[in-house]
Amino acid sequence: NAGVTQTPKFQVLKTGQSMTLQCAQDMNHEYMSWYRQDPGMGLRLIHYSVGAGITDQGEVPNGYNVSRSTTEDFPLRLLSAAPSQTSVYFCASSYSPSSGTQQFFGPGTRLTVL
Amino acid sequence: GQQLNQSPQSMFIQEGEDVSMNCTSSSIFNTWLWYKQEPGEGPVLLIALYKAGELTSNGRLTAQFGITRKDSFLNISASIPSDVGIYFCAGNNAGNMLTFGGGTRLMVKP
Repeated sequence: NAGVTQTPKFQVLKTGQSMTLQCAQDMNHEYMSWYRQDPGMGLRLIHYSVGAGITDQGEVPNGYNVSRSTTEDFPLRLLSAAPSQTSVYFCASSYSPSSGTQQFFGPGTRLTVL
Repeated sequence: GQQLNQSPQSMFIQEGEDVSMNCTSSSIFNTWLWYKQEPGEGPVLLIALYKAGELTSNGRLTAQFGITRKDSFLNISASIPSDVGIYFCAGNNAGNMLTFGGGTRLMVKP
């Protein structure tokens, strides 16, 4: 099993550009989520999905879109990048979040918006 | 939204010393989790706590679920250099979201 994979590992964007951060898992997990990590602020939930075709907003959803067409993939889209979106982005998956079961995290994507 | 206050923000200790860190919330949680993150990696789960008062160990790590359900503690005994990293607490209240603390950065001097 590869676990949770994320691409790219690093990305530099100019303000206003769009891009998609890819996330895939091969553990057949129903729950997937995206977090951003900023210094001193821990991880903040952007969007999550409890299964294919179902997505919902987390704590900081503005400026990001997601879709879940398959169980395996959960891409995160930045429609018009802003410097405030400079951060490290983590994708995670688990069987279920509500029971506090273990979330498996990907290695992260470090994004810089100039 | 809910917030978790984690302290201390950073610790610089001597190898062999014991470490204590804690996490407090203004809200009740049903589950407390402790993660460790090493540089360039995603967080990895260390300990999960599911019941108020629960005390759980994982090797040299021990975590407790506070009786009030608004706090949790993590202790590391006899620290070693590979304990270096950022330790995060996270809480779940039976919904679909985890709330993370700001992290405790641990540095160990050999």
